[in-house]
This record gives sequence, structure tokens and C-alpha cells, in this order.
Amino acid sequence: NAGVTQTPKFQVLKTGQSMTLQCAQDMNHNSMYWYRQDPGMGLRLIYYSASEGTTDKGEVPNGYNVSRLNKREFSLRLESAAPSQTSVYFCASSGLRSGNTIYFGEGSWLTVV
Amino acid sequence: GESVGLHLPTLSVQEGDNSIINCAYSNSASDYFIWYKQESGKGPQFIIDIRSNMDKRQGQRVTVLLNKTVKHLSLQIAATQPGDSAVYFCAENIHGGSQGNLIFGKGTKLSVKP
Repeated sequence: NAGVTQTPKFQVLKTGQSMTLQCAQDMNHNSMYWYRQDPGMGLRLIYYSASEGTTDKGEVPNGYNVSRLNKREFSLRLESAAPSQTSVYFCASSGLRSGNTIYFGEGSWLTVV
Repeated sequence: GESVGLHLPTLSVQEGDNSIINCAYSNSASDYFIWYKQESGKGPQFIIDIRSNMDKRQGQRVTVLLNKTVKHLSLQIAATQPGDSAVYFCAENIHGGSQGNLIFGKGTKLSVKP
């Protein structure tokens, strides 16, 4: 049981480049999330998807877009990367079977130069 | 306890001692609280949760205490082990039932001395 899997693990981008972070979960969870974590900070919610076909903004959505491709997959896209988006990104999911506890992936380290 | 700055508060304990990590939450309407453990280079890992209709909940070697009067949450780890060294985050749900609105604290770094 892989849980929440996200790719890539590490990425370096130039300012203005675009990229997509991929996330998949195999726990049949309805809800999926993207968080970012900056040094010395807690996690901040970027976007979430309460169920397949829906997405909502979180605390820090600017500069990002998301797609809930199907129940398993939730991607995060940076259309024009900025140095301020240098961060560690975590995908997560939750569902009724897990008591709505959020389970996190291992993280994607993104550096924008 | 939790910090509003860039530098994480650090708790240093001797192996075998009990650890207490504190968290002050922000919203009196929060009704669900979680503690997560994050080891270096890894994602946060669920430890224990508690709902606002409880003031104490116990797990394996961990206990969470909730004081709604002063909006305070604590995590107690019994017989702390080197493997407990990590950053610990508390999180609150401010909209009740919608997990997407978890608000995380800044974290406390637990360092266990052998």
C-alpha cells in the first residue's frame, strides 16, 4: 500500500518556467490537498479538492492551478514559476475510511532560480 | 510551544524522560485538533487527534490534552526515545468537518539526547 505518492521529488526551475507536480493516492480517499512548507513555518494550504470534480482555494492559491484528474490523482501546476515559490510541496489525502485524518506524501523540493 | 518567528522552538530531553510539547490555537470555534510528527526530509505523519468534546485522549506512549478555556493543546510523550526526535506540529480545524481547512502551527523541534 503506497499511500500518497508525489513526483518529482526534487526539481530546479528557472524563473518563468512552468511545471506540474503530480500526486496520486491509492486509499480511495475523496479529498485531496496541496500544501507548501517554508523553512521554520507550518504547512499552508494552497488548494484542495473535497471530491472528484471539485477544487477550492486554500490560504495561498496565487500563482498555482490544480486539476483533480480523477479520484486518485490531483496535480498542482505552476504556470510561471517565481523565486517566492521555492518551497517544499506536500500532497495529502483524507477520506471517511481513515476517519478524515489527512495523510501526507513524502514531499517535493522545488527551487526556483 | 509554538513560535510565530522563523526559528522553531526546540525542546531538548533526555532519553527515557517524558516530553511535553505545547500549542496555543487561535480559534475558539475549532472543534478538531491533530498532532503530526515530521522527521527530516519526510512528510508529516499523523500521531493522535482529539475532538473538542474531549479533554484528554491517549494513544501508544502519547497523550493529548485539550484545554478549551485557554485554547491550549499539549502532546505528552512518555519515555521519550531517540526515534521521537522530529518536528511536531499541532493543527486545528476551524470550519468543523472540512479537513481542507486545517490550520497548522509553526512546529516545535524535539531533540532527544541519548
